[in-house]
Amino acid sequence: KNEVEQSPQNLTAQEGEFITINCSYSVGISALHWLQQHPGGGIVSLFMLSSGKKKHGRLIATINIQEKHSSLHITASHPRDSAVYICAVIQGAQKLVFGQGTRLTINP
Amino acid sequence: DSGVTQTPKHLITATGQRVTLRCSPRSGDLSVYWYQQSLDQGLQFLIQYYNGEERAKGNILERFSAQQFPDLHSELNLSSLELGDSALYFCASSVGAGGLQETQYFGPGTRLLVL
Repeated sequence: KNEVEQSPQNLTAQEGEFITINCSYSVGISALHWLQQHPGGGIVSLFMLSSGKKKHGRLIATINIQEKHSSLHITASHPRDSAVYICAVIQGAQKLVFGQGTRLTINP
Repeated sequence: DSGVTQTPKHLITATGQRVTLRCSPRSGDLSVYWYQQSLDQGLQFLIQYYNGEERAKGNILERFSAQQFPDLHSELNLSSLELGDSALYFCASSVGAGGLQETQYFGPGTRLLVL
């Protein structure tokens, strides 16, 4: 079993829908990153969370350290949100473990 | 554009060879990170340097080595290349010593193909 599990692996939705991507992990962590990888391959860091909730535009990320779970939400989704979303957990000072990614497709 | 540059963009080489990938961080950033993304293993953290010193080590193979120079650019050296080393190699940078908990800015990647 992977230390970091994302669900769903693939998600297709219509423009305007509310999107939720989940990340569960089985180890103790100090923080968690959400990344976006565009179809062309470029990676953008969306959020770094150690507790609570963060919001940036239409993106919201939450984390519950006790329940070992984080979610990434996209409101009013748009075709340009189509990408692979990756969570990565930080264990201690030296270990960074990635989830396998969630491929999101938003149809117009 | 993140401000992080990587060269070359593409590299094709043969098994057993050695290559060097180069990364220039964003202006002012002191930390550089290297990642490997392959089809079968996904993204993996390789190593972090902060201001010239190794700061964190991930799944970096012994055949691979990295360094960060006084001007803060970094190089990742891959030797005795194998077919399985074919992957996208990303460099990222961040401002300071916060390590893996800092927001990172990713370069465009170098695509390595080992034949």
